Amino acid sequence: AQRVTQPEKLLSVFKGAPVELKCNYSYSGSPELFWYVQYSRQRLQLLLRHISRESIKGFTADLNKGETSFHLKKPFAQEEDSAMYYCALGKAAGNKLTFGGGTRVLVKP
Amino acid sequence: GAGVSQSPSNKVTEKGKDVELRCDPISGHTALYWYRQSLGQGLEFLIYFQGNSAPDKSGLPSDRFSAERTGGSVSTLTIQRTQQEDSAVYLCASSTRTASTDTQYFGPGTRLTVL
Repeated sequence: AQRVTQPEKLLSVFKGAPVELKCNYSYSGSPELFWYVQYSRQRLQLLLRHISRESIKGFTADLNKGETSFHLKKPFAQEEDSAMYYCALGKAAGNKLTFGGGTRVLVKP
Repeated sequence: GAGVSQSPSNKVTEKGKDVELRCDPISGHTALYWYRQSLGQGLEFLIYFQGNSAPDKSGLPSDRFSAERTGGSVSTLTIQRTQQEDSAVYLCASSTRTASTDTQYFGPGTRLTVL
């Protein structure tokens, strides 16, 4: 069965400090991985996906198949990054998403 | 353009009553998904529709849950004989297709409270 684990429920960092959100997955097939973000009072939205290999809002994530991880990183956190972040695994057929439990990021001034 | 919309935004019901939750996907999106966000279970997949194909109901937690999609557009999620454990935020998402490269766009959700 596929599973996504985000070990940290809460990450609190100061503005300008680096932030790393951990995500580990288990899946027997070829994974499609995503990071979704939910800002306060806003709807869930896609932040980035591994297949695009892009940087969005300064965030990057690298898929490490050996460690089955897809950690999200940003070198200099900003206050506007405070939000709930979800790592998600998409099945190739139908792209049903399996979400991790989420990590709340709080960036302090 | 308009995003995914859901109604009602909040629904309070009594245990044992039936409820219907509505989702209007983005125009032209052929794929529609329902997810549930609850304190105990996090975000979990319920059901998805793709075009005229039979829906994938593999995530529905019990036979009290059903969903339909009329005319390839609007979808209704129905919960019969609601229980307190059904209390959650029900999210709808749509995408152009169901390939993993297709972004799922989420609605604002319906918060269901079963008393």
